[in-house]
Amino acid sequence: AQTVTQSQPEMSVQEAETVTLSCTYDTSESDYYLFWYKQPPSRQMILVIRQEAYKQQNATENRFSVNFQKAAKSFSLKISDSQLGDAAMYFCAYRRGSQGNLIFGKGTKLSVKP
Amino acid sequence: EADIYQTPRYLVIGTGKKITLECSQTMGHDKMYWYQQDPGMELHLIHYSYGVNSTEKGDLSSESTVSRIRTEHFPLTLESARPSHTSQYLCASSEFFRAGGVEKLFFGSGTQLSVL
Repeated sequence: AQTVTQSQPEMSVQEAETVTLSCTYDTSESDYYLFWYKQPPSRQMILVIRQEAYKQQNATENRFSVNFQKAAKSFSLKISDSQLGDAAMYFCAYRRGSQGNLIFGKGTKLSVKP
Repeated sequence: EADIYQTPRYLVIGTGKKITLECSQTMGHDKMYWYQQDPGMELHLIHYSYGVNSTEKGDLSSESTVSRIRTEHFPLTLESARPSHTSQYLCASSEFFRAGGVEKLFFGSGTQLSVL
């Protein structure tokens, strides 16, 4: 069975600094997708970034980028120039294939200090 | 951007009550999901649907039931609520982009259920 592990329950970063959130996963599949979701206090889940396993290039979305290490089954999220609005719960998620169901990690609570 | 709505946002009820959590989406998506999330814990899939008249159980055993009579509506029902049902319930729908082979999920704001 596939699993997703986020080993950091809480993280803190100074405004304008950079922070990296860790995620590891376990799968025997070759076709899968990885995601980072942001859940602010409003509870709405927002897709931050997506990575296709077959792509070697790390995905980037503005201040958000990932470090995808396929052999190590690691998928960390880097947030550059952190802003107060980045404070939220961040969930790493895995999906087998393009239509499988999502499997989420426990989440990391990110605090941003002014 | 997401046009997916959950009601109520918060619900406090007594043990033994029957409740229905509503979820509606206006995007015409076929696939819909219900997730359960306890504080500090993973999101667990409890039900999903491929479309009208399709309902499937998810990875986490749940005493709730769902129905899908209309594409836009995917309500979740608890026949007799218990304190162990206290949790956050998140509804989602998805759109499949054939060009990129990717399914994009849209989440509702969730319902926080407290059973006393």
